[in-house]
Amino acid sequence: GQNIDQPTEMTATEGAIVQINCTYQTSGFNGLFWYQQHAGEAPTFLSYNVLDGLEEKGRFSSFLSRSKGYSYLLLKELQMKDSASYLCAVRAFSGSARQLTFGSGTQLTVLP
Amino acid sequence: DSGVTQTPKHLITATGQRVTLRCSPRSGDLSVYWYQQSLDQGLQFLIQYYNGEERAKGNILERFSAQQFPDLHSELNLSSLELGDSALYFCASSRTSGGPNYEQYFGPGTRLTVT
Repeated sequence: GQNIDQPTEMTATEGAIVQINCTYQTSGFNGLFWYQQHAGEAPTFLSYNVLDGLEEKGRFSSFLSRSKGYSYLLLKELQMKDSASYLCAVRAFSGSARQLTFGSGTQLTVLP
Repeated sequence: DSGVTQTPKHLITATGQRVTLRCSPRSGDLSVYWYQQSLDQGLQFLIQYYNGEERAKGNILERFSAQQFPDLHSELNLSSLELGDSALYFCASSRTSGGPNYEQYFGPGTRLTVT
């Protein structure tokens, strides 16, 4: 099975930088995804890492260390609209298929 | 707008009943995934279809079943409904089942309330 851990809640101030950590334990690792989900809405894809290192996409960056089972999502220049749940998801082989397992999400609140 | 459509948006039904949720994937996507999201369980993978065939199974109850049709739309059937089945049901699609075009795009969800 898989175990994914991320903080339940975080709070940050508008304009600041916040880092959301995710640790995982899995066999057959095949990539890590970050999704953003506003309450009652669909998750939206943010980033994908399969190799170690940093992937940058505008205000959002994601880092992966496969040997440590660790990833983080970095959000810069926080805006009020960034208040949402951030889901870490690990893709792993399940038999011949690749299956995505989601963490419980980190609820980020951005304060003015 | 992800391009994935789901109907209905809301569904209210009684315990013991059966419902069907429908999903149309993004144009060109061959894989369809179903997820259940309840307040205490987070986003749980149920089942995946790829080009009409079942590809992977997650925590799907025996009372639930799904299929993907030749036009690639998918239906999730929930039967003998219980109060605990009340949740948001999301459908997602991806171009492939793995590889570089794997990222999943989610539909707006169907909110099921069982009374």
